Amino acid sequence: QVQLQESGPGLVKPSQTLSLTCTVSGGSISSGSYYWSWIRQPAGKGLEWIGRIYTSGNTNYNPSLKSRVTISVDTSKNQFSLKLSSVTAADTAVYYCAREDWVSGSYFDYWGQGTLVTVSS
Amino acid sequence: QSVLTQPPSVSGAPGQRVTISCTGSSSNIGAGYDVHWYQQLPGTAPKLLIYGNSNRPSGVPDRFSGSKSGTSASLAISGLQAEDEADYYCQSYDSSLSDVLFGGGTKLTVL
Repeated sequence: QVQLQESGPGLVKPSQTLSLTCTVSGGSISSGSYYWSWIRQPAGKGLEWIGRIYTSGNTNYNPSLKSRVTISVDTSKNQFSLKLSSVTAADTAVYYCAREDWVSGSYFDYWGQGTLVTVSS
Repeated sequence: QSVLTQPPSVSGAPGQRVTISCTGSSSNIGAGYDVHWYQQLPGTAPKLLIYGNSNRPSGVPDRFSGSKSGTSASLAISGLQAEDEADYYCQSYDSSLSDVLFGGGTKLTVL
């Protein structure tokens, strides 16, 4: 059973960089059938896709966040990471990492439990 | 406002059938991209409910079904149960935005 777990600071100051890591267990992040994505959800609001990375390191980002987002992968640790720069209060949200099955139709079949990141001074 | 439009809320009594719509356009659902559905129980992560328009992952009851036609898709829940009370999201892809899209979500209340 694949499991994903987010980790990182729960509080980030405005203008600083948000950094989160997702650790994958129960399966290899190097499997070619999947992308690895970050998705966020502000309190009481809907889901927003942030971006994805493939095991090769190729990335795709939400155009609205592209200038501030970097997603990287460490296959030796079975982890992938998110950096979001120049954060504001609008970036306060629960951040989820998820596995995307791109072979069968690009849906998210496994999710982490989510981690709340608050942007505040 | 989301590119994929869902009703903010729907409700039904136990045992009834409800449907949740997801309306898109010619650059997403209408372009042939698959629609997927997720269930989010309060305080938990979303869970895949339907993939590829109408397929259920292992473990999802057959009370849940999905369909797609033209620029819209629908999630139907029959034999409504109290534990179905949750938020439901559709998801697809948009070629003009080059982006994964989620609908705005629908809150299902079981009366």
